[in-house]
Amino acid sequence: QVQLQQSGPGLLKPSQTLSLTCDISGDSVSSNSATWNWIRQSPSRGLEWLGRTYYRSRSYNDYAVSVKSRISIDPDTSKNQFSLQLISVTPEDTAMYYCARKRVADDVFDVWGQGTLVTVSS
Amino acid sequence: QAVLTQPSSLSASPGASASLTCTLRSGINVETYRFYWYQQKPGSPPQYLLRFKSVSDKQQGSGVPSRFFGSKDVSGNAGLLLISGLQSEDEADYYCMIWHNSAWVFGGGTKLTVL
Repeated sequence: QVQLQQSGPGLLKPSQTLSLTCDISGDSVSSNSATWNWIRQSPSRGLEWLGRTYYRSRSYNDYAVSVKSRISIDPDTSKNQFSLQLISVTPEDTAMYYCARKRVADDVFDVWGQGTLVTVSS
Repeated sequence: QAVLTQPSSLSASPGASASLTCTLRSGINVETYRFYWYQQKPGSPPQYLLRFKSVSDKQQGSGVPSRFFGSKDVSGNAGLLLISGLQSEDEADYYCMIWHNSAWVFGGGTKLTVL
């Protein structure tokens, strides 16, 4: 059974860097049959896909245009995890953040992390 | 204008049917898109229900009852989630999603109340 376990701080000040980690069990971050994604949810912005990392012989990343200049999603094969970094946060980045696996075979976000509520406030 | 627009709320009675719409922005052809539908209950992440592009390109999520099914309203440029025989446990938020311009895009969600 695949599980994703998120970790990282929940309270940040404006201009700081948001850093979250998603530990994978039951699958591999280097799998060719999945992509590893970060999605956030807030009352003002709804559900918003932030980006993904995946392996197809080598590592690839794709990012949402809205955060492309501030985001990095990186895999760590030695720890079987992937991380999210979002620099220069503002209160608009306050949201519940989820990591999620997307299966290539049927294109489904089938496994989600438990969510991390990140609040940006001075 | 948002890429995907969903009504914010919908109410229906137990045993009745509900039709949840997900309207694609004008100028984008609904026939070329797979619509994915997710259900979210308070305190939990979204859960996959099904996807629908056409009668020959559709998929039901594992364990999702057949009373949940997808369709399209081509004239209305919309994807549809249809739920028959509504039950109290169907009360939840429902989100549509598409792959558009190299990104996953979600609709704003519809809160379905069963009363």
